[in-house]
Amino acid sequence: NAGVTQTPKFQVLKTGQSMTLQCAQDMNHEYMSWYRQDPGMGLRLIHYSVGAGITDQGEVPNGYNVSRSTTEDFPLRLLSAAPSQTSVYFCASRFDRASYEQYFGPGTRLTVT
Amino acid sequence: DQQVKQNSPSLSVQEGRISILNCDYTNSMFDYFLWYKKYPAEGPTFLISISSIKDKNEDGRFTVFLNKSAKHLSLHIVPSQPGDSAVYFCAASVWDNAGNMLTFGGGTRLMVKP
Repeated sequence: NAGVTQTPKFQVLKTGQSMTLQCAQDMNHEYMSWYRQDPGMGLRLIHYSVGAGITDQGEVPNGYNVSRSTTEDFPLRLLSAAPSQTSVYFCASRFDRASYEQYFGPGTRLTVT
Repeated sequence: DQQVKQNSPSLSVQEGRISILNCDYTNSMFDYFLWYKKYPAEGPTFLISISSIKDKNEDGRFTVFLNKSAKHLSLHIVPSQPGDSAVYFCAASVWDNAGNMLTFGGGTRLMVKP
């Protein structure tokens, strides 16, 4: 199993550009989520999905969109990038919404200039 | 207002000694706690967890202690090894309509010196 994979590893955007961060898992996990990591702030939840076709907002959803058309994929879209979105983004999955242990991808480091 | 806080951003320990990482929380509804370890350029990986009905859980060199009355969690690493150098995040879980929702602390960078 590859676990949770994310692409790209690094990205530089100009303010106002849009892009999609890709996330895929091959563990047949129902629950997937996106976090951003900023210094001293820990990991903050952006959006999550409890299953294909179902998504919801987390703690810091503004400026991001998600969709979940398949169990495996959970892309995160930045609609109009802003410097405040400079961060490291992690995708995570777990078996279902009742489970605790999450599996994280390697992260995408995004810089918005 | 952060519900889970790790007040020490960094900790330096000599190899072979004990490392103690601390975590405080404010929400008494948290019922499960986890520690994650993160190396540079990698995603966090699960390390150890504890249910709120217990006060201690041990796994090899790693022990997590929970003091519910103080709303305090700690991770002990004995003996510390250079390979333990990483950022450690504590996380707390509470059940809501969407399932178990995790809240993470800000992380503590542990450096174990040879």
